[in-house]
Amino acid sequence: GNSVTQMEGPVTLSEEAFLTINCTYTATGYPSLFWYVQYPGEGLQLLLKATKADDKGSNKGFEATYRKETTSFHLEKGSVQVSDSAVYFCALSDLKAAGNKLTFGGGTRVLVKP
Amino acid sequence: EPEVTQTPSHQVTQMGQEVILRCVPISNHLYFYWYRQILGQKVEFLVSFYNNEISEKSEIFDDQFSVERPDGSNFTLKIRSTKLEDSAMYFCASSDGGLYQETQYFGPGTRLLVL
Repeated sequence: GNSVTQMEGPVTLSEEAFLTINCTYTATGYPSLFWYVQYPGEGLQLLLKATKADDKGSNKGFEATYRKETTSFHLEKGSVQVSDSAVYFCALSDLKAAGNKLTFGGGTRVLVKP
Repeated sequence: EPEVTQTPSHQVTQMGQEVILRCVPISNHLYFYWYRQILGQKVEFLVSFYNNEISEKSEIFDDQFSVERPDGSNFTLKIRSTKLEDSAMYFCASSDGGLYQETQYFGPGTRLLVL
């Protein structure tokens, strides 16, 4: 079956530091990949996505590149802010159409200190 | 920007009681989902719903669970007889129809506590 593995947190950083959160996946098909973010007290928000190999998703200074050869989709941001403190979830959907379930990783809590 | 809404935000119930969690998906979306997240664990898929019937359900979604779209806007999850292990955050999500429209938009969640 499908699975997503991401690095365990918490990750504690200083403001303006570089952030990387590793995510690897196992899928039977050719999945679409997502990063969702959960800010304190809020629901899951889509951060970015990629649907095919070598695609780069980007949003709010975050980037992730779909690497088929390493089955990875690592999230990066060059200079984090305190407002980036949240839990980040990597997820996949193995069907490029609506209606299919998402498989999530365990989430990585990121804390950015001023 | 359209968003998925959920009510209530928090619910406390006694074991064995029935609860109904409510969701209003994005208005032109056709696919609806429930997920749950037990504290400290992964977000887990429960069920997907399309064209007034269940498309897929997980092993978690047993006979104690049901879903319904009672009107054109609401999507509900009912737990008939709650157990302690049903305590979790429940997320509703919706997505547009069609190929390459697999992005799901989530509501803020309902935190359910079963005592």
